Amino acid sequence: DGGITQSPKYLFRKEGQNVTLSCEQNLNHDAMYWYRQDPGQGLRLIYYSQIVNDFQKGDIAEGYSVSREKKESFPLTVTSAQKNPTAFYLCASSTPRGPGANVLTFGAGSRLTVL
Amino acid sequence: GENVEQHPSTLSVQEGDSAVIKCTYSDSASNYFPWYKQELGKRPQLIIDIRSNVGEKKDQRIAVTLNKTAKHFSLHITETQPEDSAVYFCAARTGTASKLTFGTGTRLQVTL
Repeated sequence: DGGITQSPKYLFRKEGQNVTLSCEQNLNHDAMYWYRQDPGQGLRLIYYSQIVNDFQKGDIAEGYSVSREKKESFPLTVTSAQKNPTAFYLCASSTPRGPGANVLTFGAGSRLTVL
Repeated sequence: GENVEQHPSTLSVQEGDSAVIKCTYSDSASNYFPWYKQELGKRPQLIIDIRSNVGEKKDQRIAVTLNKTAKHFSLHITETQPEDSAVYFCAARTGTASKLTFGTGTRLQVTL
């Protein structure tokens, strides 16, 4: 599956609930990212992490949280504070080294719908 | 922070014609400009990229040009084919940071 796996593929949530989206990679990439994709708005960066136990806010971090306890894993929690969480979420990873340096490898995405 | 604008938002061309998608960026320190293609229902994938020390790069039917003075870069697809139909995203990276800022995307439709 391209070395980066997102789950679940589809997720439904009631208002007021937190949900966690999983992202796992076996590419030995140092950096991982979460993007949100909405029609007509492109890919907007939520959070990113360049090394284990460290992460930075992206452009639209409000209402989201992440952790990076392991190099392979970068889960995203969509909290009840996120005002408009219905969207398609893409996880990606990259390495700063080698011929593929800085090329993003994307997961297949998770579609979250708030009911 | 970096801001990337992309035009047009939709583009329809006949098979065999050329397609051009343009992007502008705001941060003069940006030094890496990739293009990603996202086919319907699939994940984005890199199709070509260019670094700030190069003015043009080609890969078969695809080329990217960069004008650092004007802070814009363009994707050129020649001899378009139906399989070129997809959403294309430009992006820019500033300095040594690993994060990319994406444009809003261009939906390209190649008609027979």
